[in-house]
Amino acid sequence: GNSVTQMEGPVTLSEEAFLTINCTYTATGYPSLFWYVQYPGEGLQLLLKATKADDKGSNKGFEATYRKETTSFHLEKGSVQVSDSAVYFCALSALTGNQFYFGTGTSLTVIP
Amino acid sequence: KAGVTQTPRYLIKTRGQQVTLSCSPISGHRSVSWYQQTPGQGLQFLFEYFSETQRNKGNFPGRFSGRQFSNSRSEMNVSTLELGDSALYLCASSPAGGQNIQYFGAGTRLSVL
Repeated sequence: GNSVTQMEGPVTLSEEAFLTINCTYTATGYPSLFWYVQYPGEGLQLLLKATKADDKGSNKGFEATYRKETTSFHLEKGSVQVSDSAVYFCALSALTGNQFYFGTGTSLTVIP
Repeated sequence: KAGVTQTPRYLIKTRGQQVTLSCSPISGHRSVSWYQQTPGQGLQFLFEYFSETQRNKGNFPGRFSGRQFSNSRSEMNVSTLELGDSALYLCASSPAGGQNIQYFGAGTRLSVL
């Protein structure tokens, strides 16, 4: 079946630190992979996506590379800001249909 | 273009009651999905509607139901509410089938007392 496993949180970093949030997946076929972000009191917003192996998604300084050989899609940012404090969700969309599978979310707090 | 709109934003109900939540997708989007978000279980998929037909269904009891209208607006209904139904209910829309991006609303926070 399809599933997503992501790094447990919470994660606390100092401003300008390097961020990695691990995400691995199990899927039949070749899914599309996504990172969503949820700020307090809001819904989920798409952060970045990748649709095939070796694709790199990037947005707002965040990056993630679709690694088929390790079934991973780790989220990275070189220098986090206080405004990056949020919950981050890794997700996959199966080859057919429109069902998304989400990880459990990783809470990030960035302190000044 | 307006985003996904969910109403109401907050609801308080008591056990045994029923509730209806509404979702208006982005104009032109035909697929609407519903999720339940709780601290313990994370995001769990409820169901997806496309062109007024339920296309996918998650593993929830029959008390959870939904429908989609011809204008793509969707409603979700929960009957005989239980304390464990307290959650943030999120709706997401996407343009069509396949591996499309899902755009989320702000959610309806349901509290069952």
